[in-house]
Amino acid sequence: KQEVTQIPAALSVPEGENLVLNCSFTDSAIYNLQWFRQDPGKGLTSLLLIQSSQREQTSGRLNASLDKSSGRSTLYIAASQPGDSATYLCAVPPHSGNTPLVFGKGTRLSVIA
Amino acid sequence: NAGVTQTPKFQVLKTGQSMTLQCAQDMNHNSMYWYRQDPGMGLRLIYYSASEGTTDKGEVPNGYNVSRLNKREFSLRLESAAPSQTSVYFCASSVTGGNNEKLFFGSGTQLSVL
Repeated sequence: KQEVTQIPAALSVPEGENLVLNCSFTDSAIYNLQWFRQDPGKGLTSLLLIQSSQREQTSGRLNASLDKSSGRSTLYIAASQPGDSATYLCAVPPHSGNTPLVFGKGTRLSVIA
Repeated sequence: NAGVTQTPKFQVLKTGQSMTLQCAQDMNHNSMYWYRQDPGMGLRLIYYSASEGTTDKGEVPNGYNVSRLNKREFSLRLESAAPSQTSVYFCASSVTGGNNEKLFFGSGTQLSVL
């Protein structure tokens, strides 16, 4: 059974810092990995989707990397801003085939002005 | 751009009452999902519908029923609500449910069962 872990559960940084969020998964036979953002009281928004054949995916100040062999992904946020404050979740398909995603519990990020 | 719309946004029930959470998407997606989110537990899949006319159980289906009314709508019903069903419920959709697709979420329904 695929399990997804995110450490730390919460992170607080001053504005302007570069930061890394971590995601690990137990079954490396994945098709892809997605990173989501969730603002308080809101639904999830997909930020980046990395295919299993890719090592990185970039969108603006966000860069996600994937290392299947080690079962890890990182989300790098450059020059953090207070508007980046949110919970970030990663998710992977549980196994091959068209089956729904398995989510980590998320990292709650606070960027302090 | 409506995307995925959930109603209601908030609901308070007494133990034993029933209710239906509604979800509709306007993106012509084939696959739809219901998740619940609890503190410390993360997001857990309740039911999903890979395509119109099909539904399948997820990780935590007990106490719930679903109906894929048509391609746009996927409802979640609590027949006899219990305090353990106090949670935030999210509906989501994707084009075909394939492994390389992004998931689109509604804004959630906060349900309290007293």
